[in-house]
Amino acid sequence: AQSVSQHNHHVILSEAASLELGCNYSYGGTVNLFWYVQYPGQHLQLLLKYFSGDPLVKGIKGFEAEFIKSKFSFNLRKPSVQWSDTAEYFCAVSNAGNNRKLIWGLGTSLAVNP
Amino acid sequence: DAGVIQSPRHEVTEMGQEVTLRCKPISGHDYLFWYRQTMMRGLELLIYFNNNVPIDDSGMPEDRFSAKMPNASFSTLKIQPSEPRDSAVYFCASARQETQYFGPGTRLLVL
Repeated sequence: AQSVSQHNHHVILSEAASLELGCNYSYGGTVNLFWYVQYPGQHLQLLLKYFSGDPLVKGIKGFEAEFIKSKFSFNLRKPSVQWSDTAEYFCAVSNAGNNRKLIWGLGTSLAVNP
Repeated sequence: DAGVIQSPRHEVTEMGQEVTLRCKPISGHDYLFWYRQTMMRGLELLIYFNNNVPIDDSGMPEDRFSAKMPNASFSTLKIQPSEPRDSAVYFCASARQETQYFGPGTRLLVL
């Protein structure tokens, strides 16, 4: 069965620190990969996505993620975080067919201290 | 362009009452998803529709939950009777291709 694992459940950083959140998935076929963000009290918003092509994808607000097929990973990065990046981050995977069902990780809570 | 619209935004009810949550997907989107989010269980997919037809309802907790999509612009999630353990934020999302767009959610509290 497909699954998504986010290794860090809670991360605390100071402003300007670099961020990397891990995401690994288990699925043998072709996948679409997503990172969503949920700011406190708000709904989930798409940060970035990977379908095909360049494995390094850039999203909004300076975030990027790299798809490493051999490692089944799609880690999220940001070189310098801001207090406003405090949020919950979710990794999700779908198979690249007609099925739109996403398999979600449990999320990583990021707190950025000013 | 309006996003996914959900109503009500907040609902407080007493155990045993019927609760109906509503969702209007983005126009032109042919997939609609209902999720539940809690601290303990995270984000759970309850059911999703394609072209108004339920495709996968394996995430619906039990018979107290039901969902309908009578047309392309409206869906409901009903809980009858409601129980305190149903307290959660319920999100609706819609998609036309691979990307899902989420509504603001309904925060449900069952006393």
